[in-house]
This record gives sequence, C-alpha cells and structure tokens, in this order.
Amino acid sequence: GENVEQHPSTLSVQEGDSAVIKCTYSDSASNYFPWYKQELGKRPQLIIDIRSNVGEKKDQRIAVTLNKTAKHFSLHITETQPEDSAVYFCAASKGYSTLTFGKGTMLLVSP
Amino acid sequence: DTAVSQTPKYLVTQMGNDKSIKCEQNLGHDTMYWYKQDSKKFLKIMFSYNNKELIINETVPNRFSPKSPDKAHLNLHINSLELGDSAVYFCASSPSTSGRAFHEQFFGPGTRLTVL
Repeated sequence: GENVEQHPSTLSVQEGDSAVIKCTYSDSASNYFPWYKQELGKRPQLIIDIRSNVGEKKDQRIAVTLNKTAKHFSLHITETQPEDSAVYFCAASKGYSTLTFGKGTMLLVSP
Repeated sequence: DTAVSQTPKYLVTQMGNDKSIKCEQNLGHDTMYWYKQDSKKFLKIMFSYNNKELIINETVPNRFSPKSPDKAHLNLHINSLELGDSAVYFCASSPSTSGRAFHEQFFGPGTRLTVL
C-alpha cells in the first residue's frame, strides 16, 4: 500500500517568514495530493490540492509543488501569519481510492 | 447547515463498556469514512463505506463495527472498550470513490473518546 512520509514534524517561524513542509510517497500510481489544515480542537479541512498532471498550484499565500519523478510534493506558505498556526497534513491517493495521510506538521507562527 | 455532523462530541466511559458514535452527512455523498486520530495527531483510516457497502477495512480490532443504515449515515459501535481506544474519532464523507475523479473529503467535528 501507499506510504506517505512528512517532514518536519514541527516547524516554528516568525510572522512574515515563509514555511515549507515536504512529503514523499511510495506508490508511483498515486495521482492526487491534497493538503489539510487542522487548527487546535477543530476538524481537518482541505486548503489546497494538486493532481499528477500539474507541477505547481498557487492560491494566494499558499502553493504546492509536485515532483513525480522523485515522488515528493511540498507545501509553501509565504508571509506567514499567526492564524496559519495549525497542524498540516499531506496525503496521497490514486484519486478514486482512500487517502493515505502523512503524520502531520505542527506549524507555529510567532508574532 | 452542518455538512458532516457527529454525536456525541465528547464521550467518557469505563473500560469494558460498549459505546456508539453517530455520523450523518447532508451533502448527498456516496462515500463515508471513519478515522482515528491518536494523541500524536496521526490520522489513520479505519473504515470506508460506499453506498452502504464496506470497501475499506484497515487492520482494526473486531471490537469496532461500523454500521451504515443508509447512504447518509455511518455509525461506529465499539465493544469492550480498552484504554488504547482513547482518541479522537473523525467521520468524513466524499462524493464518490468510483471512476477517476478526485474528491475532497469533508470531515465531521470529531468525537473525543476517553476510556478510563
């Protein structure tokens, strides 16, 4: 089955800095890579996703890149704000199958 | 207007008891899931149902039994609760697992289960 590794497990940045979270996956057939944000005590919510036919996708301050050859994808958050503090999960699937999540990255943005 | 709802939000119980968690989605989705999130925040799929039929059953003890009375509901019944069952349980739904579509999963608010 699919295995998703996520790094780092914790990330502390100053407000205004950029944050990068990286994930690798094992199944070369995986073709859908969503990122979920989970604030403290809340449910995970999708913030951005990318499909295997695209190398990069942006949505305001967040962007995701995908390298299919190396089987890794990354989340980039620019101009971080305190409200970006949360646990971020990457995931992978073959689109029509269930998601396999990474173990999460706790991002702390200090004012 | 809640898309995916779960009850109860908190559940505190003694070892050995049997308990149920209910989940309902009003999004018209075909597929529902149960996840377990442990103290380290790891999200682990437990079950997946598509149109009331079980399609994924990860390595979960037989004490856990999902029940789907209809497409909009997926309940989780747990027998003989153990200390290690303490976690947050999330229900989720997505439009479909058929075909090659890519679909967002919508999560419920979670149920924090504490076994004493």
